[in-house]
Amino acid sequence: QVQLVQSGAEVKKPGASVKVSCKASGYTFTSYGISWVRQAPGQGLEWMGWISAYNGNTNYAQKLQGRVTMTTDTSTSTAYMELRSLRSDDTAVYYCARGERGSAPKGYFQHWGQGTLVTVSS
Amino acid sequence: DIQMTQSPSSLSASVGDRVTITCRASQGISNYLAWYQQKPGKVPKLLIYAASTLQSGVPSRFSGSGSGTDFTLTISSLQPEDVATYYCQKYNSAPLTFGPGTKVDIK
Repeated sequence: QVQLVQSGAEVKKPGASVKVSCKASGYTFTSYGISWVRQAPGQGLEWMGWISAYNGNTNYAQKLQGRVTMTTDTSTSTAYMELRSLRSDDTAVYYCARGERGSAPKGYFQHWGQGTLVTVSS
Repeated sequence: DIQMTQSPSSLSASVGDRVTITCRASQGISNYLAWYQQKPGKVPKLLIYAASTLQSGVPSRFSGSGSGTDFTLTISSLQPEDVATYYCQKYNSAPLTFGPGTKVDIK
């Protein structure tokens, strides 16, 4: 069965960086894209961006351009999301989610990681 | 970018009531629309994709309709376990924007 297992909770100071991992299993990793979605406390879902696990192509949400980098390691079937220059309003639960088969940023999310809480506080 | 809106932002209904949530896209998205249910502290769960296709295992009291810019999620008979926030999402192309959510509780 498809599983996405994320790394554990993080506490960071403003201005620092965080890197969250998402290890996939149960399917051919390179056949699907991975999106990252975050949810601030008490707020809605925000799509952050997408990476093709096939060729590493990315598509980032405009508001995060320049601060976010998504990568994959096909040898371990793991996707990573790094967010830099952290601010207090980056405090959120960060989810990875499997998108559509193929190499385009599209598709609904049937499979989600369990979420990683990132807290940004001085 | 295409914006997604939902109405109402919250609603309270009795067990057994028919509940309807509306999602609107600022431009046409054909039927590339998904609905998710999120219970407090839990991971979002896919309910419906392609605007009206019920995900496997989802109770048949949930249904979706619409195409283009206007979409609807209906719960035919509200149950206590349906208390949650419901989100629509466009998925035809990036950005894969979510609606702001509709919180449903029991009166």
